[in-house]
Amino acid sequence: AQSVTQPDIHITVSEGASLELRCNYSYGATPYLFWYVQSPGQGLQLLLKYFSGDTLVQGIKGFEAEFKRSQSSFNLRKPSVHWSDAAEYFCAVWTNTGNQFYFGTGTSLTVIP
Amino acid sequence: DGGITQSPKYLFRKEGQNVTLSCEQNLNHDAMYWYRQDPGQGLRLIYYSQIVNDFQKGDIAEGYSVSREKKESFPLTVTSAQKNPTAFYLCASSIRLRPGRETQYFGPGTRLLVL
Repeated sequence: AQSVTQPDIHITVSEGASLELRCNYSYGATPYLFWYVQSPGQGLQLLLKYFSGDTLVQGIKGFEAEFKRSQSSFNLRKPSVHWSDAAEYFCAVWTNTGNQFYFGTGTSLTVIP
Repeated sequence: DGGITQSPKYLFRKEGQNVTLSCEQNLNHDAMYWYRQDPGQGLRLIYYSQIVNDFQKGDIAEGYSVSREKKESFPLTVTSAQKNPTAFYLCASSIRLRPGRETQYFGPGTRLLVL
């Protein structure tokens, strides 16, 4: 069965430090990959997505993600974190098999001054 | 100003009561979705609809029902058969249900609490 794993439940970083949030998926073929961000009590906002082509994807708010087929990973990165980046981040996968999105359990990001 | 609206923001349910969560979109999207979010479990798909008068069960449809009488509306009813309804419910839409090619846009959510 398809699955998405975000191994880090919670991450704390200092403002200005770099950030990497991990995402691994389990799927036979190349899936379509997404990262969403959720502020407390709010809906989800799309940060970026990967369908095909260049494996390094640029998104909004200075985020990027790299698809690594050999590692079945799609990690989210940001070179310098801002206090406003504190939120919950979800990795999601779309597969043709299930014809639906599968979401990871999320990583909560805290940014300290 | 296009988007997805969900109401109410907070909803309280008594034992044995059915409650209905509203989801409206003015994005002219064909596909609409309902997700349930519980702490530490991410989002789980309840129902989705590709077109008016058609909908499909997701992974956790038991205890829920939906209708899609209008393109812009996709209400979710939490029935008394749903024994653990306390959660945050998110509605989403996309242009159409195409494999991964369509971005899902999310509403602000409804938090359902049981009295």
